[in-house]
Amino acid sequence: GEDVEQSLFLSVREGDSSVINCTYTDSSSTYLYWYKQEPGAGLQLLTYIFSNMDMKQDQRLTVLLNKKDKHLSLRIADTQTGDSAIYFCAEKGGQNFVFGPGTRLSVLP
Amino acid sequence: NAGVTQTPKFRVLKTGQSMTLLCAQDMNHEYMYWYRQDPGMGLRLIHYSVGEGTTAKGEVPDGYNVSRLKKQNFLLGLESAAPSQTSVYFCASSYSGTGGEQYFGPGTRLTVT
Repeated sequence: GEDVEQSLFLSVREGDSSVINCTYTDSSSTYLYWYKQEPGAGLQLLTYIFSNMDMKQDQRLTVLLNKKDKHLSLRIADTQTGDSAIYFCAEKGGQNFVFGPGTRLSVLP
Repeated sequence: NAGVTQTPKFRVLKTGQSMTLLCAQDMNHEYMYWYRQDPGMGLRLIHYSVGEGTTAKGEVPDGYNVSRLKKQNFLLGLESAAPSQTSVYFCASSYSGTGGEQYFGPGTRLTVT
């Protein structure tokens, strides 16, 4: 079945860039998503990319998609303490979404 | 708009007890989902619904039942709770079709002792 993998932890210093990586297995995925989860809250969509795109930029967020390697990344420029959260990669090929385990981003002062 | 709401927020059950989690959305979404979130495992789909009166099994449906009698509500039932069902449960809803963003509720933290 489909599988989505992410590293579980990432620490960066405030003001640096963060890069969160994700790999997926379903080559028929039409959309790939990045969600953010803050403590005690549900997931909130950050951005998404259609599978025929290589890159999408939205303010401090840059999403890169390498469809050949099935690799997705999320870059957060000028990372702030408010960016500390768990970030989930997700894919959608058919009706349902498949989520990765989440990457816990810690931003150090 | 309240978005997606879940009740209760917290619950402690004893093994063998039953309970129902309620999810409500006011966005007129067709699709609704129940997930469980466990540490290091991301979200796993329990059941979902593609419209009023329909339900379907997800990745981990055993031990759970669902009902979608009204479009805005999606109920998740545990008939005989087990400690393995200790988890955080999230409801989500989305428009039908490709690319539909999922909107999540705040979650229900369930502990089964």
